[in-house]
Amino acid sequence: SYVLTQPPSVSVAPGQTARITCGGNNIGSKSVHWYQQKPGQAPVLVVYDDSDRPSGIPERFSGSNSGNTATLTISRVEAGDEADYYCQVWDSSSVHVVFGGGTKLTVL
Amino acid sequence: QLQLQESGPGLVKPSETLSLTCTVSGGSISSSSYYWGWIRQPPGKGLEWIGSIYYSGSTYYNPSLKSRVTISVDTSKNQFSLKLSSVTAADTAVYYCARLIAVAGPYYYYYMDVWGKGTTVTVSS
Repeated sequence: SYVLTQPPSVSVAPGQTARITCGGNNIGSKSVHWYQQKPGQAPVLVVYDDSDRPSGIPERFSGSNSGNTATLTISRVEAGDEADYYCQVWDSSSVHVVFGGGTKLTVL
Repeated sequence: QLQLQESGPGLVKPSETLSLTCTVSGGSISSSSYYWGWIRQPPGKGLEWIGSIYYSGSTYYNPSLKSRVTISVDTSKNQFSLKLSSVTAADTAVYYCARLIAVAGPYYYYYMDVWGKGTTVTVSS
C-alpha cells in the first residue's frame, strides 16, 4: 500500500520559516492534506488540496506538492505553532486514507 | 457549527468487542459530499485511519483492520458507530470520529475537515 514518509522532528527559531516534508511515490499526482495536532487535542486541518487553507488558518501556513515530495511551510513561526504535523492522502488503488508518521515541530 | 462527539466505554476487556458512537450535531449526517469516519491514535504514536461510511451505508475500511471492523450509520439519530472485535492491548488508543469531505476528480478522494475531541479506550482485564 501507499507509504508517506515524514521526518520525525523539525526545529526552528521563532520568526523563521519551518518546512515539513512528506515523501511518497509520485505524490505530486495526489492531493495532499495537512493536520496540526497539539498535545491532548484533536487534529486540526491546516492545509487541504496541496495548498488551500481552511477558514481561520493564518496565511503563514502554506503548502506545495510536486514530484515525490509535498511540503508544508510555516512562515514567521510562533511558539504557538509547536505541535505534531501529519500529511494525508487518499490511496485510490487500495481505497483508503493514508497518514504520514507525523513530524514534531519544536520552536526553539 | 458542526460538532462531533464520541461516546462509549473507556475500558474494554481483551477478546471483547469495542463499541463507540459518534453523535453529529449542527448538521445532517445525510448531507451529500460527506463521509463519516473513525481514526485512532495509540499512546505516543501517530494517526491511523480505521474506516469511513456514507449515509447510504457504503463503507471503506483500513485493509489492516477490515476483518475486525464494522462501521454503521443511523440517520434517524444522526449518529454513526464503530465496532472493533477481538480487541487486544494494541487497540488501546484515543479514538476520534471525523467528517470527511469527498472531492470528485479523476477519482474521488477524501480528507477530514471536522474532528471530535476524541475518547480514550483502554483494553485491559
